[in-house]
Amino acid sequence: DVKVTQSSRYLVKRTGEKVFLECVQDMDHENMFWYRQDPGLGLRLIYFSYDVKMKEKGDIPEGYSVSREKKERFSLILESASTNQTSMYLCASSLNQRAEAFFGQGTRLTVV
Amino acid sequence: QKEVEQDPGPLSVPEGAIVSLNCTYSNSAFQYFMWYRQYSRKGPELLMYTYSSGNKEDGRFTAQVDKSSKYISLFIRDSQPSDSATYLCAFQGAQKLVFGQGTRLTINP
Repeated sequence: DVKVTQSSRYLVKRTGEKVFLECVQDMDHENMFWYRQDPGLGLRLIYFSYDVKMKEKGDIPEGYSVSREKKERFSLILESASTNQTSMYLCASSLNQRAEAFFGQGTRLTVV
Repeated sequence: QKEVEQDPGPLSVPEGAIVSLNCTYSNSAFQYFMWYRQYSRKGPELLMYTYSSGNKEDGRFTAQVDKSSKYISLFIRDSQPSDSATYLCAFQGAQKLVFGQGTRLTINP
């Protein structure tokens, strides 16, 4: 079975802090994605990566950056956390652009 | 026009009913179609994946795709209270993976 693991289920951070969300997949998938999910807005794509060291902006990249130094790991970075970044963050991976995507369990981030 | 339209509900039906969930899309580059189920405070889990027009069945679940009308459906037969969740349609093409807003479904015992 594919496993996508996010480092934390719940996080509480202060405004202005630098926040790292980590995601690891164990199936040698090419593509990895970061989404945020908010009530009434659904899943919105922040960034995705189709190869090591490659990254593409999604629909809402402002205030975020990503890093993919190894194929299995995709990190989302909030450079200076703000309260409007309080959300559920979901990582996903897929073998390639023709394959289904698998999700991690999500990280509920609260910025106070 | 949004790339994907999905009625957010909520949808409430009695146990044993047939449930029909639907999405429309506008992007002709979408070639792969998925349905996910998401329980409260959990990540989405893949239910169905298909890439061709027609029906695909898996147990009580049937996914239907009509590429000419840009319309996909998920049918749930003999619905159970454990099917209560949010259902998301998803579309992949041209390196994009786009989701519908999700439909919240409740099955009443």
